[in-house]
Amino acid sequence: AQSVTQLDSHVSVSEGTPVLLRCNYSSSYSPSLFWYVQHPNKGLQLLLKYTSAATLVKGINGFEAEFKKSETSFHLTKPSAHMSDAAEYFCVVSETGTYKYIFGTGTRLKVLA
Amino acid sequence: EAGVAQSPRYKIIEKRQSVAFWCNPISGHATLYWYQQILGQGPKLLIQFQNNGVVDDSQLPKDRFSAERLKGVDSTLKIQPAKLEDSAVYLCASSLGASANEKLFFGSGTQLSVL
Repeated sequence: AQSVTQLDSHVSVSEGTPVLLRCNYSSSYSPSLFWYVQHPNKGLQLLLKYTSAATLVKGINGFEAEFKKSETSFHLTKPSAHMSDAAEYFCVVSETGTYKYIFGTGTRLKVLA
Repeated sequence: EAGVAQSPRYKIIEKRQSVAFWCNPISGHATLYWYQQILGQGPKLLIQFQNNGVVDDSQLPKDRFSAERLKGVDSTLKIQPAKLEDSAVYLCASSLGASANEKLFFGSGTQLSVL
């Protein structure tokens, strides 16, 4: 069965410094992987998705993620954090055949001025 | 394009009472999902519909939770009777199809407090 593990429940960075949110996955088959963002009092929004095309995926708001099969990882990065990036981020895995979208426990990103 | 609509936004009930949530997905979206998000946790899938058929309800506590999707469009999720541990945000999402690569569109959720 597929699953995701988000390695950090909280991450704090200073504005203008790089962001790294870590996600490891477990999947029996070729997975599809996603990152969603949840701003306070707003609905979940898709940031980016990996679906077996290019391993480096670019998303909205300057975020990107790299699929590394050998490490079963799909870490989310951004070169320079902005105050508006403060939110909760969820890594999500899905598998062909089940079509279930399994969410990680989330990483709360705090951006310090 | 109108998003996923959910109501009510907030609900406070006492344990053993019943409650119902409503969801109107994006027009034309075949697949509808109900997720439960307990504070500090990621969303957990309760039930997934494709059109008006149930695709997965393996994590739905069927002794107290029920859901239906009328005519493959709107959906309601009901809890009867509610327990304290049902306090959570109930999220509805929809997607165009039912593959492993879908973009899920989420509503703002219903925050349920069971006292």
